Amino acid sequence: DVKVTQSSRYLVKRTGEKVFLECVQDMDHENMFWYRQDPGLGLRLIYFSYDVKMKEKGDIPEGYSVSREKKERFSLILESASTNQTSMYLCASSSGTRTTDTQYFGPGTRLTVL
Amino acid sequence: AQSVTQLGSHVSVSEGALVLLRCNYSSSVPPYLFWYVQYPNQGLQLLLKYTTGATLVKGINGFEAEFKKSETSFHLTKPSAHMSDAAEYFCAVSANDYKLSFGAGTTVTVRA
Repeated sequence: DVKVTQSSRYLVKRTGEKVFLECVQDMDHENMFWYRQDPGLGLRLIYFSYDVKMKEKGDIPEGYSVSREKKERFSLILESASTNQTSMYLCASSSGTRTTDTQYFGPGTRLTVL
Repeated sequence: AQSVTQLGSHVSVSEGALVLLRCNYSSSVPPYLFWYVQYPNQGLQLLLKYTTGATLVKGINGFEAEFKKSETSFHLTKPSAHMSDAAEYFCAVSANDYKLSFGAGTTVTVRA
């Protein structure tokens, strides 16, 4: 079974703090993704990575950055957290050889910025 | 660019009744279409996907969806709802890259 784990289920931070969200997958997948999920908006892609040290902006990259130093780990960084970044963050991975490959999701991190 | 519209943010059905969730897409190239389900406090799980070939796709837990190119639709159905089907359902489309564009989601409530 593919397993995607996220470092925290719930996180509370203060405005201006630097926040790290970590994601690890155990299936040697090429692609990894970060989404945010908001009610009524579905999932929106923040960033994705198709290889180690490679990244590409998604639909809403502003205020976020990412890091992928190892194949299994993909980090989302909020350089200076703001209240409008309060959301559910979901990480996903896929094998990456075909566009139709299934994305496997982690359980999510619910981030609250006060 | 591609996008997805899910009609109805909430659907309530009786146990044993038909579940019908509507999804329409727009895509400039032949699309790949997906339905994902999210149970409470969990991540998303793939229900089914359409890539090429047969337009009626069967998925897990008794769900199926039909790709209708002329209607740009990919509606999800299940003949008989079960209490365990209560969840949020997302339709998604992918074009020629690895990225998915998701709809806003439909929450299904099942009444006993």
